[in-house]
Amino acid sequence: GNSVTQMEGPVTLSEEAFLTINCTYTATGYPSLFWYVQYPGEGLQLLLKATKADDKGSNKGFEATYRKETTSFHLEKGSVQVSDSAVYFCALSDQGYDYKLSFGAGTTVTVRA
Amino acid sequence: DGGITQSPKYLFRKEGQNVTLSCEQNLNHDAMYWYRQDPGQGLRLIYYSQIVNDFQKGDIAEGYSVSREKKESFPLTVTSAQKNPTAFYLCASSYRDGYTFGSGTRLTVV
Repeated sequence: GNSVTQMEGPVTLSEEAFLTINCTYTATGYPSLFWYVQYPGEGLQLLLKATKADDKGSNKGFEATYRKETTSFHLEKGSVQVSDSAVYFCALSDQGYDYKLSFGAGTTVTVRA
Repeated sequence: DGGITQSPKYLFRKEGQNVTLSCEQNLNHDAMYWYRQDPGQGLRLIYYSQIVNDFQKGDIAEGYSVSREKKESFPLTVTSAQKNPTAFYLCASSYRDGYTFGSGTRLTVV
């Protein structure tokens, strides 16, 4: 079956530091890969996605590249801000099957001023 | 604006009671989902429905029930058989792999 393994947190950074959150996956077929962000007390918002190998998703300074050879989709941001403090989830869905999302455990990121 | 509305935002349940969480969407999405979120465990799928009058169990369906009588609505009932219902519940809808999430309901057993 499908599964997502995500770097454990929590992660605490200073403002303007470099952020990376590792994500690897196991899937049958050719999944789409996602990063979602959750702010306190809220639902999930799509941060970025990639639908095929070597695609790079990007949004709000965050980037992740779909690496089929290493089954990875690591999230990076070059200079974080206090407003980036949130929980980040890596997820995948099977294209062409039923599109159910499988989530990683989530990584809590706190950015200090 | 199109979106998903979950209500209530906070819900308190006494031991032995059934409670129903509401989820309504106006996105015209066929598929709808219920997830449970516990600290450090990510999101786990409870039930999902890909079409009206049809739904399937997810990974942790025991102690929960759903209905899908209308395309727009997918209510979740947490029954007294659910031994540890305190959690954050998220509803979502999708067209293919484009998901929209509600803002969640926090359920607490008192």
